[in-house]
Amino acid sequence: DAGVIQSPRHEVTEMGQEVTLRCKPISGHNSLFWYRQTMMRGLELLIYFNNNVPIDDSGMPEDRFSAKMPNASFSTLKIQPSEPRDSAVYFCASSFHGLNEQFFGPGTRLTVL
Amino acid sequence: SQQGEEDPQALSIQEGENATMNCSYKTSINNLQWYRQNSGRGLVHLILIRSNEREKHSGRLRVTLDTSKKSSSLLITASRAADTASYFCATDDAGGTSYGKLTFGQGTILTVHP
Repeated sequence: DAGVIQSPRHEVTEMGQEVTLRCKPISGHNSLFWYRQTMMRGLELLIYFNNNVPIDDSGMPEDRFSAKMPNASFSTLKIQPSEPRDSAVYFCASSFHGLNEQFFGPGTRLTVL
Repeated sequence: SQQGEEDPQALSIQEGENATMNCSYKTSINNLQWYRQNSGRGLVHLILIRSNEREKHSGRLRVTLDTSKKSSSLLITASRAADTASYFCATDDAGGTSYGKLTFGQGTILTVHP
């Protein structure tokens, strides 16, 4: 298995632009998590899904952030409009409920100018 | 303060020495996990200890759990330069259905000098 796949790996955009981050979880995993990591705030859970259904989005910082999981093999995190304070590394992780270990993707480093 | 706080925030040792990192948490847990993150990479799972276990070993890693004190420690023996990374504890909090959600601490930055 290729592990959790994220794209793009790096994204540089200008303030006000829409940004879409993509994630393909490990096949067979039924929980998917989106995290944001910064030096100041550490690793923050933004939202997570189970069986493609959003369970808890209380970590989403504001309405500019949205996430979808249209099927078991794909999820997106969208920021519209983006702001410089959104600059961070965004990680996607997946797990099989019951085994609990999370498998992280390589992350997307987002820079908003 | 947050669930899953690591101590110390940073640790610098020489190759061959042992490294001990501590984690404290606030709520009852189902299990506690330790993860490692190399610079610029995603987190990688190291070891899981359940709430009814007190100690667990995996290679050069030794994890202890004291649920009465709500604390855990990770010991890396005979450290190597390649162990240089950030180490995070994460708790699977008891109560309700979490679907595998974990609460991560702030991490300990370990530097092992050759």
